[in-house]
Amino acid sequence: GQSLEQPSEVTAVEGAIVQINCTYQTSGFYGLSWYQQHDGGAPTFLSYNALDGLEETGRFSSFLSRSDSYGYLLLQELQMKDSASYFCAVRDRQAGTALIFGKGTTLSVSS
Amino acid sequence: DTGVSQNPRHKITKRGQNVTFRCDPISEHNRLYWYRQTLGQGPEFLTYFQNEAQLEKSRLLSDRFSAERPKGSFSTLEIQRTEQGDSAMYLCASTTSGQETQYFGPGTRLLVL
Repeated sequence: GQSLEQPSEVTAVEGAIVQINCTYQTSGFYGLSWYQQHDGGAPTFLSYNALDGLEETGRFSSFLSRSDSYGYLLLQELQMKDSASYFCAVRDRQAGTALIFGKGTTLSVSS
Repeated sequence: DTGVSQNPRHKITKRGQNVTFRCDPISEHNRLYWYRQTLGQGPEFLTYFQNEAQLEKSRLLSDRFSAERPKGSFSTLEIQRTEQGDSAMYLCASTTSGQETQYFGPGTRLLVL
């Protein structure tokens, strides 16, 4: 089966940098995605990594190491509006096209 | 492009009743997914359509759940004989073949009393 592990909570102050780690176990890994979800809102796509390395999109970056079954989401120059839940999600051969999500990391940004 | 829409946004029902939810995906998206999310958890995959064909179903999807996408556009998810354990947020997402991004709707929050 598939499993994903990510920290349940992270706290930081405005302007800081945080890294949210995700380790996964899958069969036939295709790629790792990250989604953001504000309270009461829909998950929204942040990034996708299929190959090893770093993908940068503005203040957010995502990293993948396939050999370590590990990835992380890096959030820079944190803003209050970044307070949300962040989910890593994998696609693998068993799941087909569906996403298998972790339990999520709640990020709280304070001033 | 108005995004993925879902109706109703909230539904309260009594145990044993049937409920039906609707999802309207982004118009050009041929792939449609249903997920269920409970408090403190990530979304859990329920079922997937490519056009009108239901291609994948999770083991989570009991016989009381049925989904359709009759013309390859909107989809409905019906839960028969609801149970308290069905209380959750039901999310719909859509995308196109070859695209990794899934676009989620706002969800239907179901409460079974």
